[in-house]
Amino acid sequence: NAGVMQNPRHLVRRRGQEARLRCSPMKGHSHVYWYRQLPEEGLKFMVYLQKENIIDESGMPKERFSAEFPKEGPSILRIQQVVRGDSAAYFCASSPPGDHEQYFGPGTRLTVT
Amino acid sequence: RKEVEQDPGPFNVPEGATVAFNCTYSNSASQSFFWYRQDCRKEPKLLMSVYSSGNEDGRFTAQLNRASQYISLLIRDSKLSDSATYLCVVNSPYYGQNFVFGPGTRLSVLP
Repeated sequence: NAGVMQNPRHLVRRRGQEARLRCSPMKGHSHVYWYRQLPEEGLKFMVYLQKENIIDESGMPKERFSAEFPKEGPSILRIQQVVRGDSAAYFCASSPPGDHEQYFGPGTRLTVT
Repeated sequence: RKEVEQDPGPFNVPEGATVAFNCTYSNSASQSFFWYRQDCRKEPKLLMSVYSSGNEDGRFTAQLNRASQYISLLIRDSKLSDSATYLCVVNSPYYGQNFVFGPGTRLSVLP
């Protein structure tokens, strides 16, 4: 049973470009969460999704950031017009319905130059 | 007050030592509690869930005190491989499975 998959593992973007981060949850998991970790800081919740629904996006910046978890395919975290401050590790986690334990993917390290 | 607070650390202990981490949470409606460990530049990994009755897994013991809104993790006979950042995690009661992570406490076990 493969774990949570994230790609790419490393992503370099110039200021103003778009970044797309992908997350495939563990088999049987229908809940996906995105977190951001700035260097030397803790994890910050961004968004919680179930298939085709955003359940909680209270941690998402109001502009430039969006997330989706379509019926088919991975969850996508999209950052438009990236700025240097977006440089961070972005972790995805998944959990099955009714289970509160979350399992994390290896993360995508975004560097904005 | 932050939702989840932890000992600031870092903790530097010799191999074989016993070390305890403390964590407090502000929302009394929180239902689920966990300890995760995170190695440098890696993803967090679930160490153990924390139950009201307390639970033990080998050298690791977790305790929960709901009245004081306090969680602890005890590591006995620490190993070099225990060196990591330990994250206290509490679920947010508002949306069921939304986690709030503490800032983490870094542990270095020295030979």
